[in-house]
Amino acid sequence: NFMLTQPHSVSESPGKTVTISCTGSSGSIASNYVQWYQQRPGSAPTTVIYEDNQRPSGVPDRFSGSIDSSSNSASLTISGLKTEDEADYYCQSYDSSTWVFGGGTKLTVL
Amino acid sequence: EVQLVESGGGLIQPGGSLRLSCAASGFTVSSNYMSWVRQAPGKGLEWVSVIYSGGSTYYADSVKGRFTISRDNSKNTLYLQMNSLRAEDTAVYYCARDSVSGPYWGQGTLVTVSS
Repeated sequence: NFMLTQPHSVSESPGKTVTISCTGSSGSIASNYVQWYQQRPGSAPTTVIYEDNQRPSGVPDRFSGSIDSSSNSASLTISGLKTEDEADYYCQSYDSSTWVFGGGTKLTVL
Repeated sequence: EVQLVESGGGLIQPGGSLRLSCAASGFTVSSNYMSWVRQAPGKGLEWVSVIYSGGSTYYADSVKGRFTISRDNSKNTLYLQMNSLRAEDTAVYYCARDSVSGPYWGQGTLVTVSS
């Protein structure tokens, strides 16, 4: 079964840039779109990146997504970090007709 | 404005049944791919099921044979019928619409399976 692996946690200071990785277990991660979700404590997830690198309306351009086929991974980069970016972030892709989630990464902005 | 409102959660004993609803507004449920995703307390997101616009349905292995996804076009509502519930089904259940601008999520409903 296809799996996505994320670091458990990352931390960075306000104003800096952080990158969260999401590595596919098999096949090519570029074969299916990757989405990224932000989940603040006590709230539902929201989409910050869809189709690898597209931002929904209302998501600031500080958020960007990319695919690296050489490492079979996707990345979410957040620049100009703000304290409000502190949240859990999940990557998601597909395996046949099912959704596959990464385990989530807790971003601490301190 | 697009809105998804889940309901139907609550406390249920192991082996019991529950039906979750996801009332949609601002778009047509039957024209979209609609999913259920759950999150156990303190854990990550777990995909549960999807219904395609054409009516095809798919399930996670953990719920196959016990859960059924469906929709009522006249009510513009998505459902998840959950039978033979287990303690490990305890979670917040979210419905999500797969839109052209990425998935849109509801606020979730809590299901607690306990005696």
